[in-house]
Amino acid sequence: GAVVSQHPSRVICKSGTSVKIECRSLDFQATTMFWYRQFPKQSLMLMATSNEGSKATYEQGVEKDKFLINHASLTLSTLTVTSAHPEDSSFYICSASGQGAGHEQFFGPGTRLTVL
Amino acid sequence: GENVEQHPSTLSVQEGDSAVIKCTYSDSASNYFPWYKQELGKRPQLIIDIRSNVGEKKDQRIAVTLNKTAKHFSLHITETQPEDSAVYFCAASRGGNEKLTFGTGTRLTIIP
Repeated sequence: GAVVSQHPSRVICKSGTSVKIECRSLDFQATTMFWYRQFPKQSLMLMATSNEGSKATYEQGVEKDKFLINHASLTLSTLTVTSAHPEDSSFYICSASGQGAGHEQFFGPGTRLTVL
Repeated sequence: GENVEQHPSTLSVQEGDSAVIKCTYSDSASNYFPWYKQELGKRPQLIIDIRSNVGEKKDQRIAVTLNKTAKHFSLHITETQPEDSAVYFCAASRGGNEKLTFGTGTRLTIIP
């Protein structure tokens, strides 16, 4: 199957700082990337959908000015958590789909964000 | 929007027995239904999926059934093994590059 990487795998930051998470498709062109957030013992909640070269579409209740998403190329999408606070601590997972990949989304390994 | 419900939230079965997890969805336009296994701190792993043009799909010990009329689909695991212990999520989408809506998850524990 296709490979999606995510960096960093783990980050600890102070309250008020910004954190950037990268999601890369390594062996296919990801026309669409998705960003999810998962709190402990809960399901994956979609935050936003991004298509290469377009503005991201955010789910209801997700602040677009706080969670900045950029999908500038067919292999890279970034999520920036701005002015992070302890309640933003979570597991952030990206996934990617593309032409020729059928219906399947390929998930990155996730990023554990801890805001102190 | 799509709403996916999943039951049960926890399930314990004796090793060797079968496990069944059920999901319902609301969007009649959904046509792609994957199942994921997630271990603690890891990414969701696709274990089987089904498209709306078939009613059942099987892969070794794992099978999925789909009833489009009733808008429900189920995961069946036979001859369960300790390594099957994990959290399982169902999901639904309209296919293509459309977003996935996940169920709430089922924590499956296999008792040796």
